[in-house]
Amino acid sequence: SAVISQKPSRDICQRGTSLTIQCQVDSQVTMMFWYRQQPGQSLTLIATANQGSEATYESGFVIDKFPISRPNLTFSTLTVSNMSPEDSSIYLCSVGEGADQPQHFGDGTRLSIL
Amino acid sequence: SQKIEQNSEALNIQEGKTATLTCNYTNYSPAYLQWYRQDPGRGPVFLLLIRENEKEKRKERLKVTFDTTLKQSLFHITASQPADSATYLCALLIYNQGGKLIFGQGTELSVKP
Repeated sequence: SAVISQKPSRDICQRGTSLTIQCQVDSQVTMMFWYRQQPGQSLTLIATANQGSEATYESGFVIDKFPISRPNLTFSTLTVSNMSPEDSSIYLCSVGEGADQPQHFGDGTRLSIL
Repeated sequence: SQKIEQNSEALNIQEGKTATLTCNYTNYSPAYLQWYRQDPGRGPVFLLLIRENEKEKRKERLKVTFDTTLKQSLFHITASQPADSATYLCALLIYNQGGKLIFGQGTELSVKP
């Protein structure tokens, strides 16, 4: 299965700043996903990022707040913009090869906003 | 409204017993149901996938059942071990929503020696 590396693994940021999270995969994959997991909660899909097309955002998430890039089949970034304490969460990327295939996750980025 | 519900209480069992975790859903028509394991500080790890036309799937000590009439999946770990202690997540894949997975809130399992 694919190995996913996320950077940074954790960060503490000031209110109003932005942070870009990187997701690197060791093989070419079709679909990449970005999730948010708030403390003690389950995973909520932010957006789906397929190479060569604009990311598809879920209800409640907008491109201005969470811009995503997918420049090739092994890499994606998620930016959390103009951060507030409510953005404190774990952000995870995952990859998949189709609707009936399992997803493989990175270990996440633990983000705290002061 | 659409919901996925897993055992909200943590499940504590004795080593060697069978752990049974429940995933119920309402107002979804999933094509597939998947189970993941998540350890503290780590991302979820895929365990099993079961399709809507399958009743049961097994992998080593793991067994998953899927009842689309009851809208329920059961996840069993037989001969449980302390190393099985983790949070277990069920996730639905919906036909008309691409590859999007919708996760339950997870059940924390603790296996005591």
